[in-house]
Amino acid sequence: DGGITQSPKYLFRKEGQNVTLSCEQNLNHDAMYWYRQDPGQGLRLIYYSQIVNDFQKGDIAEGYSVSREKKESFPLTVTSAQKNPTAFYLCASTRGSSYNSPLHFGNGTRLTVT
Amino acid sequence: RKEVEQDPGPFNVPEGATVAFNCTYSNSASQSFFWYRQDCRKEPKLLMSVYSSGNEDGRFTAQLNRASQYISLLIRDSKLSDSATYLCVVNKVGDDKIIFGKGTRLHILP
Repeated sequence: DGGITQSPKYLFRKEGQNVTLSCEQNLNHDAMYWYRQDPGQGLRLIYYSQIVNDFQKGDIAEGYSVSREKKESFPLTVTSAQKNPTAFYLCASTRGSSYNSPLHFGNGTRLTVT
Repeated sequence: RKEVEQDPGPFNVPEGATVAFNCTYSNSASQSFFWYRQDCRKEPKLLMSVYSSGNEDGRFTAQLNRASQYISLLIRDSKLSDSATYLCVVNKVGDDKIIFGKGTRLHILP
């Protein structure tokens, strides 16, 4: 079955360490997205990519970095520069902006930094 | 005006009742509309797309009002399992950013 896989589901890190969250999709989707969700809050866009080797900053990109070396993969690195990294991180994909297609989400990674 | 706005609720509704809530958007060029459902500590899941003519899926009806720039979701004969947060998504075909509303929390009471 096609889908999006995020790993790990729970991640614990010490403050000051960089951490990379994995996101892989086998839906052959062109576009991929990273969102952050804080308790009781909506989804905020961190980074998105419409094509391999290209990506754009979303509304809260500071302290994060991404790469899109393969169509299937869009890893997110949470750097030590991110002031408040503890959150629920969601990766999503869609066919692309030229299509009227919905987002498909992974199960999310819950990151706790202490 | 925010790009996408929703009443956060919570809406506390007795089981079996009909409930409706809206989502307003600011970009009149928006063309693509969806409703998602998110359960506590889970990822959002697509509930339904919203078409210009309105559409229905079982107990759920979605409508689009372009003149007033909002979409709506109506749930008939509400079930306890309908308790969740409902997120609206709006974007313009060809626009890379996909914007979510902050969600409306719905509690169905027994």
